Amino acid sequence: DVKVTQSSRYLVKRTGEKVFLECVQDMDHENMFWYRQDPGLGLRLIYFSYDVKMKEKGDIPEGYSVSREKKERFSLILESASTNQTSMYLCASSLRGRTNGYTFGSGTRLTVV
Amino acid sequence: GENVEQHPSTLSVQEGDSAVIKCTYSDSASNYFPWYKQELGKRPQLIIDIRSNVGEKKDQRIAVTLNKTAKHFSLHITETQPEDSAVYFCAASPGGANSKLTFGKGITLSVRP
Repeated sequence: DVKVTQSSRYLVKRTGEKVFLECVQDMDHENMFWYRQDPGLGLRLIYFSYDVKMKEKGDIPEGYSVSREKKERFSLILESASTNQTSMYLCASSLRGRTNGYTFGSGTRLTVV
Repeated sequence: GENVEQHPSTLSVQEGDSAVIKCTYSDSASNYFPWYKQELGKRPQLIIDIRSNVGEKKDQRIAVTLNKTAKHFSLHITETQPEDSAVYFCAASPGGANSKLTFGKGITLSVRP
């Protein structure tokens, strides 16, 4: 069974902390994405990557950065966590080529206190 | 950029009835339209998709229709069951090797037993 695995299901962090959210996929997908999901706002794209060491800003990149050092791993970094970054974070991956649907991870619910 | 809107935001139907969820998109270049189902506490999962070269696609009790002229597409669920209760997201993409999906805000479908 193909998988996108997010390292933590729940996280609680303090304001100002540097936070790392990890995502690993085992499908040899080239494309990887980070979304945040908030009630009434749907899924909003933070950052995405089409290849190792490549990254592009999504719709709401402010306060976030990413790292893709290996094809299977895509990390989301909150440089200085703030309470408005409390959210559900979803990682997804897809195959390059003809547009295909995403495979999502189970999500990380981050609470910043 | 692409803008995807879903209507209505909530929908309640009686078990056995049909449900129709509508989405509109803004970018005439979009040519791939997937639908995702997210059950409570779970990851979004692709349930059906359609490409712009077809007008309708069916898979058992679910179907998707596409009207490119009007820039809208709809998800049809027949003979609804309680397990159809979930949040449904539509999305659109212009296609191509590195295209990303733009999601609607989601609709909560409740199927009353």
